[in-house]
Amino acid sequence: EAQVTQNPRYLITVTGKKLTVTCSQNMNHEYMSWYRQDPGLGLRQIYYSMNVEVTDKGDVPEGYKVSRKEKRNFPLILESPSPNQTSLYFCASSSGGGRPGANVLTFGAGSRLTVL
Amino acid sequence: DQQVKQNSPSLSVQEGRISILNCDYTNSMFDYFLWYKKYPAEGPTFLISISSIKDKNEDGRFTVFLNKSAKHLSLHIVPSQPGDSAVYFCAASENYGGSQGNLIFGKGTKLSVKP
Repeated sequence: EAQVTQNPRYLITVTGKKLTVTCSQNMNHEYMSWYRQDPGLGLRQIYYSMNVEVTDKGDVPEGYKVSRKEKRNFPLILESPSPNQTSLYFCASSSGGGRPGANVLTFGAGSRLTVL
Repeated sequence: DQQVKQNSPSLSVQEGRISILNCDYTNSMFDYFLWYKKYPAEGPTFLISISSIKDKNEDGRFTVFLNKSAKHLSLHIVPSQPGDSAVYFCAASENYGGSQGNLIFGKGTKLSVKP
């Protein structure tokens, strides 16, 4: 089944304790992206990657890092989490833009992170 | 500045009636528009899209209308069903996403369909 898998789905942590949210897709997609969803703010892009070893900042990159060493994986790293990073996080992937339909994103089920 | 705006945070409709969700955009370079549906505890799922060369696209009970001159699109659901109750996100991109594939999302509209 074509899917985007995120782990963990739920996590409660404390301020300053480094954590990684993993994301993996099995569709051979070139494009991957991380979003956070907050009440009243919708989906905001954190980072995206056009291909292996190519990453770029989205709208809200502060406090986050990413890496893309393999095509299928795109982990989100919080080096020193803070309470304002409490949110619902979504990883997504697509085959990439340039033609209609190519940038239709497939989303993971979400990771709810709470930072105390 | 918000490039994609969904000005109605919520909408309540009776089962069997039409649901109309609206979306406005400011970037005239947007040429591809999508609607996503999101249930609680799940990721958003793609619903329907339209390119700027069209003004209407239909898929079963779902129709998206695009008015380029007004920079406005709408999603019509007819007839509405209780299972349509979800948050609906409007999204847009330039050059069909170009080499980046980036989508810009609105804040979402929560639709409640009452039996």
